[in-house]
Amino acid sequence: AQSVTQLDSHVSVSEGTPVLLRCNYSSSYSPSLFWYVQHPNKGLQLLLKYTSAATLVKGINGFEAEFKKSETSFHLTKPSAHMSDAAEYFCVVRTLIMGGYNKLIFGAGTRLAVHP
Amino acid sequence: NAGVTQTPKFQVLKTGQSMTLQCAQDMNHNSMYWYRQDPGMGLRLIYYSASEGTTDKGEVPNGYNVSRLNKREFSLRLESAAPSQTSVYFCASSEASLDTQYFGPGTRLTVL
Repeated sequence: AQSVTQLDSHVSVSEGTPVLLRCNYSSSYSPSLFWYVQHPNKGLQLLLKYTSAATLVKGINGFEAEFKKSETSFHLTKPSAHMSDAAEYFCVVRTLIMGGYNKLIFGAGTRLAVHP
Repeated sequence: NAGVTQTPKFQVLKTGQSMTLQCAQDMNHNSMYWYRQDPGMGLRLIYYSASEGTTDKGEVPNGYNVSRLNKREFSLRLESAAPSQTSVYFCASSEASLDTQYFGPGTRLTVL
């Protein structure tokens, strides 16, 4: 069965320093993986997605993630944090249910705080 | 484009009351979804509609019903609200069932 584990519930960084949000997945076949961001009182916005093409995926706002099959990881990084990056981040794996339905399994989320 | 819109943004109900959450998308997507978000649990799927005219249960369907009114609209109904249904509800849509999902801004529901 597919599952997603976000290893940190809270991450705090200083503005201008690197960001690392960790995600491990479990999947019985090659998965599709996503990172979504949720700003306070807003809906979820897609940051990036991996669908078995390049293992290093670039997303919006300077974020990128690397798919590492050997480590079953899909960590999200950004070289330099900005105050506007403060939000909750969700790692998501997509599964295929019989009949072709596209089910998303969400991690519990990582809340990123950025300090001046 | 407005994308995915949801009404209302906030709602407070008493136990036993009923209400309908509305969702509409203007992207001509075929598939639509309802999720609930609870603290520390990510999002969980309540119901989905792979295409107009079809609906199916997700992970947590008990206490809810849905209607896919047309291609644009997908509503979620609570017939008799319970405090356990206090949550933030998100609607999402995708072009097809295997495509990226796009989310609405959410409805924050409190049941007293």
